[in-house]
Amino acid sequence: ETGVTQTPRHLVMGMTNKKSLKCEQHLGHNAMYWYKQSAKKPLELMFVYSLEERVENNSVPSRFSPECPNSSHLFLHLHTLQPEDSALYLCASSQGRNSGNTIYFGEGSWLTVV
Amino acid sequence: AQSVTQLDSHVSVSEGTPVLLRCNYSSSYSPSLFWYVQHPNKGLQLLLKYTSAATLVKGINGFEAEFKKSETSFHLTKPSAHMSDAAEYFCVVSDSSSGSARQLTFGSGTQLTVLP
Repeated sequence: ETGVTQTPRHLVMGMTNKKSLKCEQHLGHNAMYWYKQSAKKPLELMFVYSLEERVENNSVPSRFSPECPNSSHLFLHLHTLQPEDSALYLCASSQGRNSGNTIYFGEGSWLTVV
Repeated sequence: AQSVTQLDSHVSVSEGTPVLLRCNYSSSYSPSLFWYVQHPNKGLQLLLKYTSAATLVKGINGFEAEFKKSETSFHLTKPSAHMSDAAEYFCVVSDSSSGSARQLTFGSGTQLTVLP
């Protein structure tokens, strides 16, 4: 148990569906992240939120829409996805943005787009 | 700019023998370095981190890593492998040179297999 909880753990959706991934951290951190992990590729940073403001958006397609309503919760809204978006989506959190601070990861949400 | 290279995509060892997972990095500034482990169907768990203190860092489960600035390396070692060590390991570098929100650069991972 890392203190970062992701739901659902598995999601299968059609290309015309709208769904959301949820992340909750119980660590009192003030920064949260979405990463994408695809087979045979390094982890890709998607979004960074610091103090509930989006501070990083690494050229992610608009079919992915993040939302951070408070410092403990982070959502990733999904719509009209493509099969190549199938991957493990990892949420993470940290306290502050110092380079030495540890980032804690959730167990991930496996997404399959059919 | 920063980068990290994990020199082996797969490493196979026998149970009870030493483990060596190699990592080289590049960074324009004094980096922080991490090793994470990912067991099947699980998220990433921190093994250990280096943040400009002692160059030999001890982590969980008997793992340790040595920061060698002259070689730009941060190799992960364990004296004796256990079956439960079978997993994927990621070397990660972080610096705050950008001045923006912190980013990590992940290596491509090393899959460790432990043979009985």
